[in-house]
Amino acid sequence: AQSVTQPDIHITVSEGASLELRCNYSYGATPYLFWYVQSPGQGLQLLLKYFSGDTLVQGIKGFEAEFKRSQSSFNLRKPSVHWSDAAEYFCAVGGGNNNDMRFGAGTRLTVKP
Amino acid sequence: GAVVSQHPSRVICKSGTSVKIECRSLDFQATTMFWYRQFPKQSLMLMATSNEGSKATYEQGVEKDKFLINHASLTLSTLTVTSAHPEDSSFYICSAPYTGAGYTFGSGTRLTVV
Repeated sequence: AQSVTQPDIHITVSEGASLELRCNYSYGATPYLFWYVQSPGQGLQLLLKYFSGDTLVQGIKGFEAEFKRSQSSFNLRKPSVHWSDAAEYFCAVGGGNNNDMRFGAGTRLTVKP
Repeated sequence: GAVVSQHPSRVICKSGTSVKIECRSLDFQATTMFWYRQFPKQSLMLMATSNEGSKATYEQGVEKDKFLINHASLTLSTLTVTSAHPEDSSFYICSAPYTGAGYTFGSGTRLTVV
């Protein structure tokens, strides 16, 4: 089955600083890749997704992600972080034999004033 | 479009009782529904996959007799936690794939077993 690795469990950045959250995937074919954000006690909100085409994907809230097949990566970036971005971020890969979606372990983002 | 409605959003039950969670696709036919469980401060783990009209397939380590899944129609899939115990307390969320390789999620059910 496909799998996702998020190497960073917790990241702290200052408000206004840039952000990059790492995601690596394992999948034999072209993956469907997703980034979700989850605030405490809440459900998932889709930030962006990649299916095919342009490898630089723009999402909501000023986020973008770049698919790099050679590195099996789909890192999430934001040029200037806001305090409201503090949350848990999940990378996920879909498709697979069963068309299911697998999630990474998540990265908790803390934003310092 | 492609909305999945999940109920209840929160439920508290006594140990030993059963709880049913429903996921309904409102504006599309969900031939497949994925069920996930999320423990506090952890990721979403796929529990099982239900397909309309056939038996669900369970991930390794998930007790199929404890987590009963029914997908009797193209718009409804249910997860029943039988003989619930405090260790079953978790956030359960369903998801369905839809045309164009998208996935739509229910809003989740927070189960607390006391």
